[in-house]
Amino acid sequence: DTEVTQTPKHLVMGMTNKKSLKCEQHMGHRAMYWYKQKAKKPPELMFVYSYEKLSINESVPSRFSPECPNSSLLNLHLHALQPEDSALYLCASSQEWRNGYEQYFGPGTRLTVT
Amino acid sequence: TQLLEQSPQFLSIQEGENLTVYCNSSSVFSSLQWYRQEPGEGPVLLVTVVTGGEVKKLKRLTFQFGDARKDSSLHITAAQPGDTGLYLCAGGDIQGAQKLVFGQGTRLTINP
Repeated sequence: DTEVTQTPKHLVMGMTNKKSLKCEQHMGHRAMYWYKQKAKKPPELMFVYSYEKLSINESVPSRFSPECPNSSLLNLHLHALQPEDSALYLCASSQEWRNGYEQYFGPGTRLTVT
Repeated sequence: TQLLEQSPQFLSIQEGENLTVYCNSSSVFSSLQWYRQEPGEGPVLLVTVVTGGEVKKLKRLTFQFGDARKDSSLHITAAQPGDTGLYLCAGGDIQGAQKLVFGQGTRLTINP
């Protein structure tokens, strides 16, 4: 089973709201990723967790706060977002955080900031 | 910075035709993955190629990794409407950054 699940599927939030995106995988993967994808563009890497530790933060604004409670779960906490943050947010996982290991993506959360 | 250029960016053809999508770079990649993405969904992994010159087949789809591991191609035979989607190539960064480098994507439409 190569399934990564994400909730919610859609999220609409105001600029003063606090919300969280959730991601789960049960493949025993030790690396998990958050990507942001704007329309007609490829995914852009935001964060990488390896063995539950933050390994890469691609200079993402602090209004995005990742959390990895355990090896199967990844959260993205959102606070005081801007309309330009509206996008498809994708979670992915791979066996290890190392080149050559395939990344499997979840279905994404479509976020709209009003 | 490693870059992957995909061509064409858009392709609209009739059902039953053949097509090839290219993914090119001046840099060497440790591996290359092809994904298909439908609107509002996450990318679905189709194949990973690792060895220079490697050819993999997935039903009507044939994937090839260049001998020098700088380029790749995806060939679809007898395209069907179900092949419609965004095709993304992504290379494993060999420069130690441990990140996937994505091409800009090829938006494919197969008309019945």
